[in-house]
Amino acid sequence: QVQLQESGPGLVKPSETLSLTCTVSGGSISSYYWSWIRQPPGKGLEWIGYIYYSGTTNYNPSLKSRVTISLDTPKNQFSLKLNTVTTADTAVYYCVRGAGWWEYWGQGTLVTVSS
Amino acid sequence: QSALTQPASVSGSPGQSITISCTGTTSDVGRYNYVSWYQQHPGKAPKLMIYDVSNRPSGVSNRFSGSKSDNTASLTISGLQAEDEADYYCNSYTSTNFYVFGTGTKVTVL
Repeated sequence: QVQLQESGPGLVKPSETLSLTCTVSGGSISSYYWSWIRQPPGKGLEWIGYIYYSGTTNYNPSLKSRVTISLDTPKNQFSLKLNTVTTADTAVYYCVRGAGWWEYWGQGTLVTVSS
Repeated sequence: QSALTQPASVSGSPGQSITISCTGTTSDVGRYNYVSWYQQHPGKAPKLMIYDVSNRPSGVSNRFSGSKSDNTASLTISGLQAEDEADYYCNSYTSTNFYVFGTGTKVTVL
C-alpha cells in the first residue's frame, strides 16, 4: 500500500519561501505523476502542480511564477517550493499520487504564513 | 480559470438518494471525460470516490455513481447513510492544461 508523508516547517514568514517534502513508501517514485494540492482553512481545494517521474512538470497558472516541484529519486521523495509567500498561502498542503485523479494522499500539513 | 460551481449544501434522510451537481464550461467539464469526485470528512484528507466521470476505485461503495451531461457533472449517492455526511468536491481537467476543483458541497444526513 502506497503511503505519502509531508514534512517541513509549519510556520513561514511573509516574503520567504515555503518548502515541503513528501516521502513516498510502499512503492517507487520512479513512475506515476506526483502532485501537490492545498486547502486554505475552511475553504476548498486548489491544485498546485505535478511532476512526472521523467521530470516533466505542470503548474497551476495562478501559481506558476512562484512554484517549483522537484524529484529526489534516490530518496523516494518529491518536494514543493513556493516563493514570496503571503498570508493567502496559509493552507493545509497535501502531497498526492497522480494527475487528473488522485487516489493516494498524504495526511496533509498545515503551513501558516505569519510574521 | 474559475472554480467549478457546486451547490453549497445538499441534505437528505437516511436511505434516500441525493445528487450533487458540478457545473463547468465547454473548456473543462463539457470537453473532457476527466471529472473526478472526492469525499472529505472534517480534519481528514480527501478520498477519491469517482474518476473519469463514472468509474469507481476499488473499495468505494456502489452507492456512489457519477455521470455527465453537457457542462454539468453529477455525483449521486443512493441509500444515504450517516457516514456519507461530509464535504464533496469535483475536479476537472481544463483546456489550458491544468486541473480545477469545484467550490465544494456539504452533505448533511438529516
